[in-house]
Order: sequence, then structure tokens, then C-alpha cells
Amino acid sequence: DTAVSQTPKYLVTQMGNDKSIKCEQNLGHDTMYWYKQDSKKFLKIMFSYNNKELIINETVPNRFSPKSPDKAHLNLHINSLELGDSAVYFCASSQQGGYTQYFGPGTRLTVL
Amino acid sequence: AQTVTQSQPEMSVQEAETVTLSCTYDTSESDYYLFWYKQPPSRQMILVIRQEAYKQQNATENRFSVNFQKAAKSFSLKISDSQLGDAAMYFCAYRSPNRDDKIIFGKGTRLHILP
Repeated sequence: DTAVSQTPKYLVTQMGNDKSIKCEQNLGHDTMYWYKQDSKKFLKIMFSYNNKELIINETVPNRFSPKSPDKAHLNLHINSLELGDSAVYFCASSQQGGYTQYFGPGTRLTVL
Repeated sequence: AQTVTQSQPEMSVQEAETVTLSCTYDTSESDYYLFWYKQPPSRQMILVIRQEAYKQQNATENRFSVNFQKAAKSFSLKISDSQLGDAAMYFCAYRSPNRDDKIIFGKGTRLHILP
């Protein structure tokens, strides 16, 4: 009965590789988000989708591409991984008009 | 642009005692939402408490309560009867009511509970 799930929870990869992180929510929410938490624990929004429409696209390198096949899923694809991409990536969801975001367990990405 | 400031990078409290975590924010909006999230070592982000700016009454959730001072743009979290399981990073967060409804987080306060 997991509300917001992410796979994988850990991802270790080499520089230059392409990787994806998947997110799914079973809360019936229509808005989903990706956040990045850096090594100093600072959390910052990257993207948000409402009903598969991109709403927020913060200043993120275009190597990062979110994809929302339906409103229950929001995947994050990263091309040409760099050392600075190492972080914990959180998916979250909320209901449009609601004000609470529910977070997934996070994916720790390590780029070697 | 909105900002959220947590001026205490770390705090410690004796088990069973009370501790208050500070948070200030800056916004030109009159309607918004404020949150405290907890992140234990498991790294899961857990909502602790939320406050709607239009409500004058301070939110309370069991041992957790807030002191919301809208004019001062202050939103502190009080934890009563601290327990070992309260040890975590605590993030103060702000959310605009607008369609792009992103949450802006403070840098966090690491809370240690001393047995």
C-alpha cells in the first residue's frame, strides 16, 4: 500500500552513462514532482507535471528529461551523467488545489 | 522570490524536554501554506505539521505545535516531550497557492536527542 514509490532506491553508475529513475503514486493525485537533495541536504524542485503537462521546469540542465506517461507516473531520465549529478532524488505528488506533497523514499544516485 | 531561512543548522535537546526550531520566510503573498517536514536517517521525507496562512490558530499535531506569526513571517516548531525517534533533519517549507505550487525548503536543522 505504498503511496509514492521510486525505483531504484540506489543507483551507482559511471560518468557519461544514461540512467532513469521511475516514480509511481497510487494516491490518485494529479500533480507529480522531482526534487534534488544535494550533499548538504538542500532540497530543490526540478520539475512538476500536472495531468501529464509540464508546469515547473527550474534551471536544470537539458540532460535531465522528465517523462509522464500518465498522471500516476513520472520518470526522470538523465543523459551523460556527471559527477555533480550525485545526489538523492525525490519524487512527490499532490492533488491540484491541495497543498500537501507526499514524498517517495528517494533514490540515491552516485556517479563515479 | 520567496525564501525560507532556518538559522539553526544543529540543535540538541535532552530526552523528554521541549525544543523549538526556528524558521523565517519572505514573501509578498498574503495567502500561502507552511510546513515542517522531518527527514530521519532513513531519508524518507515525513510531513510533521502544516499551517494555512489564513488561519490564525496555530496548528497542533500531538507533541508538535507551531508558533505562526504572520506579520513577523515566522513559523517555529515546538516539540514537546522529545523522544529518541525525533532525531532527524527538520525542514521548514513554504508553498504558494499558485498553479505552479512548488515547495521552497529551508536548509534544515539537524536535531539531536540526548538520552
